[in-house]
Amino acid sequence: DAGITQSPRHKVTETGTPVTLRCHQTENHRYMYWYRQDPGHGLRLIHYSYGVKDTDKGEVSDGYSVSRSKTEDFLLTLESATSSQTSVYFCATGTLSTDTQYFGPGTRLTVL
Amino acid sequence: KQEVTQIPAALSVPEGENLVLNCSFTDSAIYNLQWFRQDPGKGLTSLLLIQSSQREQTSGRLNASLDKSSGRSTLYIAASQPGDSATYLCAANTGANSKLTFGKGITLSVRP
Repeated sequence: DAGITQSPRHKVTETGTPVTLRCHQTENHRYMYWYRQDPGHGLRLIHYSYGVKDTDKGEVSDGYSVSRSKTEDFLLTLESATSSQTSVYFCATGTLSTDTQYFGPGTRLTVL
Repeated sequence: KQEVTQIPAALSVPEGENLVLNCSFTDSAIYNLQWFRQDPGKGLTSLLLIQSSQREQTSGRLNASLDKSSGRSTLYIAASQPGDSATYLCAANTGANSKLTFGKGITLSVRP
């Protein structure tokens, strides 16, 4: 939906390595979000962006950073991956502050 | 801090049954309440969005209601079909940059 792609779709990495996940949208939506989804916890907000170079922390931001240099791209970086960051990561976009969110297909990340 | 609860975690019903999925939230100061559907291994798809000033929204066989004062929303599915089998998540929008707080979801199985 809404032309959202995530890359990579699957990744296996080792503890301590840096990892960058990319979210790309073609809808010119202002808002972009990164969530992680874990059994027993549901979806939790990591970071979000409300414009180019405007980002803020979500509920579970420790160990993650983000960047948004263009409207269409929102990057999530794990500076030094840990096993607790094994999860499915979803990107979402939105147009207005009270509109719905459109989700990407997800990235399954495994940290060994 | 907003908390969203969905009980039960799983539900199995025979085809053709009308059913209600419940969602409760702790902070009534919401901008809207959203219902999503998630198929296994997929991202989320928006089903219905109810603004805080509305009481209900309908789309086909789906009807969602909102009672802010009691902190409850329900998703009514009429004449359920096997194709309705999925996980249904509700999310409360507290407005600040459209951040959503999700429930853990209800996994629905509709038996033929």
